[in-house]
Amino acid sequence: NAGVTQTPKFQVLKTGQSMTLQCAQDMNHEYMSWYRQDPGMGLRLIHYSVGAGITDQGEVPNGYNVSRSTTEDFPLRLLSAAPSQTSVYFCASSATGGTQYFGPGTRLLVL
Amino acid sequence: DQQVKQNSPSLSVQEGRISILNCDYTNSMFDYFLWYKKYPAEGPTFLISISSIKDKNEDGRFTVFLNKSAKHLSLHIVPSQPGDSAVYFCAAYNAGNNRKLIWGLGTSLAVNP
Repeated sequence: NAGVTQTPKFQVLKTGQSMTLQCAQDMNHEYMSWYRQDPGMGLRLIHYSVGAGITDQGEVPNGYNVSRSTTEDFPLRLLSAAPSQTSVYFCASSATGGTQYFGPGTRLLVL
Repeated sequence: DQQVKQNSPSLSVQEGRISILNCDYTNSMFDYFLWYKKYPAEGPTFLISISSIKDKNEDGRFTVFLNKSAKHLSLHIVPSQPGDSAVYFCAAYNAGNNRKLIWGLGTSLAVNP
């Protein structure tokens, strides 16, 4: 089992560019989530999904889109990157919600 | 409105001694509490959890204590080892409310040899 994988590990974007952060899990988990971690801010939930075809907003959803077409994949899209989106992004999955298993993270720098 | 609070941003202990990390919460609807450990440049890893029907859960060197009346939980690490140096996050959720985790801001633990 690879668990939760994220690509890329590191990305530099210019303001206004778009990109997709990839997340995949091979544990057949229904729940998947995206978080961002900023210094002094802990982990903040961006979007989450309770199953294929179902997504919902977390506490900081603005500037991000998600979709969940399969159980395995949960990509996070930045449509027009802003410097405020410079952060470390973590994807997580869970069988039933609650206890979650995290990927290694994507470090994003927006210039 | 921070529903889960870790009031100590950092903690330093000597190897072999006990580390005690604290967490307070305000929402009495939480019924599960978890501790995660995070090393730099890695994702958080699940450490230990406790449900609200218990007051203690133990796993090897790690024990979590829950005091529901005080809305307080603590993680004890005995004995502390240098490899325990990491950031520890407390999190909580309500099983009946879409199970979203509510996170504390973390405590950075340094275990000195």
